[in-house]
Amino acid sequence: QVQLQESGPGLVKPSETLSLTCTVSGGSISSYYWSWIRQPAGKGLEWIGRIYTSGSTNYNPSLKSRVTMSVDTSKNQFSLKLSSVTAADTAVYYCARVGGAAGTGWFDPWGQGTLVTVSS
Amino acid sequence: QSVLTQPPSVSAAPGQKVTISCSGSSSNIGNNYVSWYQQLPGTAPKLLIYENNKRPSGIPDRFSGSKSGTSATLGITGLQTGDEADYYCGTWDSSLSVHWVFGGGTKLTVL
Repeated sequence: QVQLQESGPGLVKPSETLSLTCTVSGGSISSYYWSWIRQPAGKGLEWIGRIYTSGSTNYNPSLKSRVTMSVDTSKNQFSLKLSSVTAADTAVYYCARVGGAAGTGWFDPWGQGTLVTVSS
Repeated sequence: QSVLTQPPSVSAAPGQKVTISCSGSSSNIGNNYVSWYQQLPGTAPKLLIYENNKRPSGIPDRFSGSKSGTSATLGITGLQTGDEADYYCGTWDSSLSVHWVFGGGTKLTVL
């Protein structure tokens, strides 16, 4: 079955750019939408955005000015960049596949999540 | 403040039934499918219900979903201690640009 694994630095300095990669195994990344979702400690889930394997993206309006997503089909990976980070960006970051027609459905499966802390 | 409103907590005894509500508007729940996620402590969320009332393979029929107008409901019957978790609803919202929104989450305690 498809499995997702997030990777990237666990510590990022304020004002710098957070960079994460999600590697998809057990299936092809093609022809699906893929999303990033984050969760600050003790708080709820926040959708960051989604990307199709063509490179088409949709972002959360509240984060849009700082978010860039990309996809590398040759490596079965997609990535997240979040610029100008502050302590408020400290969270567990999850990647997930978007189900349903045209990616309008649900998130399944999810990666295990990776904690990113923003601190100097 | 989440766009979708869920009760912060619910509780019930083992074997009992509980429902968790998710209230939205015409720009989200009213015109889109709802999905539900279970997050056990220290783990990633897991899909429970998609397209309002469908269960992925492996999800027991103790879990059910429904939608009416701008609200959705998750039902859990035959509660087990292993059901203690946070539950989130989610759907697309088209109020500004198209984007996904989650409810604030509901902590289920099985007494």
